[in-house]
Amino acid sequence: AQSVTQPDIHITVSEGASLELRCNYSYGATPYLFWYVQSPGQGLQLLLKYFSGDTLVQGIKGFEAEFKRSQSSFNLRKPSVHWSDAAEYFCAVGPSSNTGKLIFGQGTTLQVKP
Amino acid sequence: DTAVSQTPKYLVTQMGNDKSIKCEQNLGHDTMYWYKQDSKKFLKIMFSYNNKELIINETVPNRFSPKSPDKAHLNLHINSLELGDSAVYFCASSSLFSTGSNSPLHFGNGTRLTVT
Repeated sequence: AQSVTQPDIHITVSEGASLELRCNYSYGATPYLFWYVQSPGQGLQLLLKYFSGDTLVQGIKGFEAEFKRSQSSFNLRKPSVHWSDAAEYFCAVGPSSNTGKLIFGQGTTLQVKP
Repeated sequence: DTAVSQTPKYLVTQMGNDKSIKCEQNLGHDTMYWYKQDSKKFLKIMFSYNNKELIINETVPNRFSPKSPDKAHLNLHINSLELGDSAVYFCASSSLFSTGSNSPLHFGNGTRLTVT
């Protein structure tokens, strides 16, 4: 069955420190992978996506993610975290058929200490 | 110039009532969705529509009925509301059929439904 696992429910980092949020997926075909961010009271905003080509993808707000097929992972990284990055982060995997259905991980809450 | 807009933002109602949530997108997308986010922030798809046709119905109780009058609108009507329906409901859209499965979803800001 298709699934997405985000092992870390909650992460706290100091402002200016580096960040890595983990995402592992289980998918039968070549996956389309996405990272979304949700600020309090807001909808989900796309940070970046991977569907082919270079396995290191750049996104908005200084985020990047690396697709590692051998590890079934798509971890999100940022070299220096800002206080405004505090939010909920969701990894998602796309469908193999033309349904548009996304399967989401359970999310990681990022807290940033001053 | 909001891309995906939902109304209302908050909805508080009593058990047994019927309520509707409206969604509109001005992105020219061909596919629209309803997702439910539970109290643990887990997101799960409920429905998707392409050009007014239902393409996904994920084992949602038939008290939930989506309606798409045109490809820019997808409303969600809920009959006989139950306590367990309390959640945040997100509308989303994408250009699935014109771009493909890698077309990202664009989400509205959500409707927080509280059933008392």
